[in-house]
Amino acid sequence: EVQLLESGGGLVQPGGSLRLSCAASGFTFSTYAMSWVRQAPGKGLKWVLSISSNGESTYLVDSVKGRFTISRDNSKNTLYLQMNSLRAEDTAVYYCTKSYGMDAWGQGTTVTVSS
Amino acid sequence: EIVLTQSPDFQSVTPKEKVTITCRASQSVGTSLHWYQQKPDQSPKLLIKYASQSFSGVPSRFSGSGSGTEFTLTINSLEGEDAATYYCHQSSTLPYTFGQGTKLEIK
Repeated sequence: EVQLLESGGGLVQPGGSLRLSCAASGFTFSTYAMSWVRQAPGKGLKWVLSISSNGESTYLVDSVKGRFTISRDNSKNTLYLQMNSLRAEDTAVYYCTKSYGMDAWGQGTTVTVSS
Repeated sequence: EIVLTQSPDFQSVTPKEKVTITCRASQSVGTSLHWYQQKPDQSPKLLIKYASQSFSGVPSRFSGSGSGTEFTLTINSLEGEDAATYYCHQSSTLPYTFGQGTKLEIK
């Protein structure tokens, strides 16, 4: 069974940093692209970043360029999201998803940016 | 950026009814269009991938069609458990985008 388990969310002040992790199991992690999708409170889904299976290519939405970084450790079956210079508008549930067709989703981890 | 526009935004339907949700893209996405279901306080789940391919374990009453700029998700014989918000998503062109969602209420 495919499982994605996010962690690392929490309350952070504007301008602060957080690192999210997504532990994957039940599939060959190193052969799939992975993505982060977020959902602000009461809002719809928004794609944020993707990374290729070998980690060599990354893709980001403009609003997080220069602030967020996606990476992966295929030896640990883990996906990461480093978030710096956080803003109030980054407040959301962050989901880890498998493949570009997003055929599996984690349960999400909540990031709240507030003073 | 490719804008995906879903219609309707909201629909109240009765069990056993047939439901059609449309997703229109501002430019062609080929068949790189996927459909998800999100129930309250749950993560989204993939229903249909690449416009018309049913995902494993999804009930057969869910089907998808279309290509280019117009796509349809059809739910035949709606059941009470289908109350949810449905999203389309394109993985053709960066930045990847989602539709605004269609909320289905069961009467």
